[in-house]
Amino acid sequence: GQQVMQIPQYQHVQEGEDFTTYCNSSTTLSNIQWYKQRPGGHPVFLIQLVKSGEVKKQKRLTFQFGEAKKNSSLHITATQTTDVGTYFCAGPESNTDKLIFGTGTRLQVFP
Amino acid sequence: EAQVTQNPRYLITVTGKKLTVTCSQNMNHEYMSWYRQDPGLGLRQIYYSMNVEVTDKGDVPEGYKVSRKEKRNFPLILESPSPNQTSLYFCASSLEGPSGANVLTFGAGSRLTVL
Repeated sequence: GQQVMQIPQYQHVQEGEDFTTYCNSSTTLSNIQWYKQRPGGHPVFLIQLVKSGEVKKQKRLTFQFGEAKKNSSLHITATQTTDVGTYFCAGPESNTDKLIFGTGTRLQVFP
Repeated sequence: EAQVTQNPRYLITVTGKKLTVTCSQNMNHEYMSWYRQDPGLGLRQIYYSMNVEVTDKGDVPEGYKVSRKEKRNFPLILESPSPNQTSLYFCASSLEGPSGANVLTFGAGSRLTVL
């Protein structure tokens, strides 16, 4: 079946450093979504990308959808302690109504 | 307030004792889904439903049942729980299915321990 992998699995950064997580799908995606889960919390929707090559920004967060619509990235500029959490990408499986989540990247930010 | 409510939030039970985790949403969403979250494995979909009386298996449906008799409710049933079903469970809903404007709203989670 379709797989969605994320790297890295963990990332520890010093506050102020940049952070990037990458998401790769085994198949082409019609769209990709990103979610953030704070420690002890539930996933919260961040953004959805639909178009090939699309780039969207939310303050210090930059999201990119690959040209082939099989990969995506989330870049955080100048991390803050409030960025701590696990970031998940998710994409729909072809010809079904399943939504497949990536394995997640856990970000730890040290002050 | 628009939300997904799941109960119980925490439960410790024993092997073989049937249990139900309830999920309710007040947003008139068509799509509802259950996920389990385990360390290192991310969120894995158990079952999903596109509408009333329409349910389908996700990637890890074994040992679980669901029903969608009303649009707002989507209970998860463990007929005979086993220790490998110890996990954190999330219910989620969205207006449309994954191929559309599928912004998932998650419940707070239910932490289940099966002894």
